[in-house]
Amino acid sequence: KAGVTQTPRYLIKTRGQQVTLSCSPISGHRSVSWYQQTPGQGLQFLFEYFSETQRNKGNFPGRFSGRQFSNSRSEMNVSTLELGDSALYLCASSLDDGRETQYFGPGTRLLVL
Amino acid sequence: GQNIDQPTEMTATEGAIVQINCTYQTSGFNGLFWYQQHAGEAPTFLSYNVLDGLEEKGRFSSFLSRSKGYSYLLLKELQMKDSASYLCAVKTTSGTYKYIFGTGTRLKVLA
Repeated sequence: KAGVTQTPRYLIKTRGQQVTLSCSPISGHRSVSWYQQTPGQGLQFLFEYFSETQRNKGNFPGRFSGRQFSNSRSEMNVSTLELGDSALYLCASSLDDGRETQYFGPGTRLLVL
Repeated sequence: GQNIDQPTEMTATEGAIVQINCTYQTSGFNGLFWYQQHAGEAPTFLSYNVLDGLEEKGRFSSFLSRSKGYSYLLLKELQMKDSASYLCAVKTTSGTYKYIFGTGTRLKVLA
């Protein structure tokens, strides 16, 4: 079974631009969560999608948004990029069967100049 | 506020046992996770505790005491490949569920 895939793996943008990141979960997994990881703040929860609906949300500004498609693939979008948005963005999928096992993708490393 | 504390760094010897502690203060609690993350890689799920007690999975065990806001991850028969960061995370129940992560404990296993 293929693991969680994320595209692109690396991205360089400039301040003020917007970016869209993609995540394909493990086949059969309907829950997709997004995280931001930086050296200073560690791993921070962005949001979770389940069956095309945002089910949980972390404490990030509205510039961070996401969506999930009927095939469970998910995208997250960051508008008006700031230097502080430079980070590793990870997505994780799970079966949502009560065992809470999340499987992480390799991440997208975003650099904002 | 919401807070998770774990030691920044620990060192242990190959073959030994190490215990990584995690204390938390969160508004609501709906489970505690442990993840392993090797440098430059994504986190890997290790365990999930929602009830008090010890859960054992091979060389790894995780303990939870909800009344004390405390958990630990126990690693036995340490191997060099166990050198990694170990992240403690809590699923809270403030409104909609949110996940709060500790900053991680960097474990170095020495030969």
